[in-house]
Amino acid sequence: KNEVEQSPQNLTAQEGEFITINCSYSVGISALHWLQQHPGGGIVSLFMLSSGKKKHGRLIATINIQEKHSSLHITASHPRDSAVYICAGPLGYNTDKLIFGTGTRLQVFP
Amino acid sequence: EPEVTQTPSHQVTQMGQEVILRCVPISNHLYFYWYRQILGQKVEFLVSFYNNEISEKSEIFDDQFSVERPDGSNFTLKIRSTKLEDSAMYFCASSKGQIKTYEQYFGPGTRLTVT
Repeated sequence: KNEVEQSPQNLTAQEGEFITINCSYSVGISALHWLQQHPGGGIVSLFMLSSGKKKHGRLIATINIQEKHSSLHITASHPRDSAVYICAGPLGYNTDKLIFGTGTRLQVFP
Repeated sequence: EPEVTQTPSHQVTQMGQEVILRCVPISNHLYFYWYRQILGQKVEFLVSFYNNEISEKSEIFDDQFSVERPDGSNFTLKIRSTKLEDSAMYFCASSKGQIKTYEQYFGPGTRLTVT
C-alpha cells in the first residue's frame, strides 16, 4: 500500500530546542512536500524538495531519495512554531496525487 | 503576495442538498486541486485539474462530486447530494506546474457541516 509515515506523532519542546520530524514513504517519489498546518486549519507550504537539502530561515529540510526518507529540522524553536507539520508526496513519478502523512503536532513552550 | 481564496469559510447544509464550494486560484497558476480533511484525520487528495479537465481523481471523488472552472478565475467543487460523511474541511490549492516541480499554494479552507 502506498503510504507516507511520520514520526513522532506528537512533540513537545522548550523554546530554543532543536526539533527533528521524520517522514518515510513506501515507493519512489519525484518530490516531497513539507507543509505547516496552523491551529486555525490553514495550510502553508514550507518546502518542496527532490534531493539534498533546503533551508529557509530556521527551517531545514533534507531528503534521501534512496532511503525514502526526509527530515524537517527547526533550529532555535519558538512558541510560534507550534503547529502540525505534514509531509506529503506524489507516490510515483508521473502523478499529481499527493499522499499525506498523518502529521506531527509540535508544541513549543516558553 | 498573491493568495488562493475560498468561499464560503463555513457552509452548513442538510443531508441530500447540493453544495458548491468556490475557490479563486492564483492568477498565473495552471494546476488546481481539491483536498478534504475530516476532523482529526489526515488530508486526502480528491482531484487535480489541468487544461480544463480532470487529470487525476481519488476513489473518494465519485459521481456525487464534480469540478468546474466556469471562467478564467473561479474553480468550483460541487457535491450533488451531500451525506453526513461529507462533513470536512475542504481545501483548494493551485500551482504553476506539476507538484513534482512546483510548490502548491493552499486556500484557507471551507468547513462543510452536513446535518
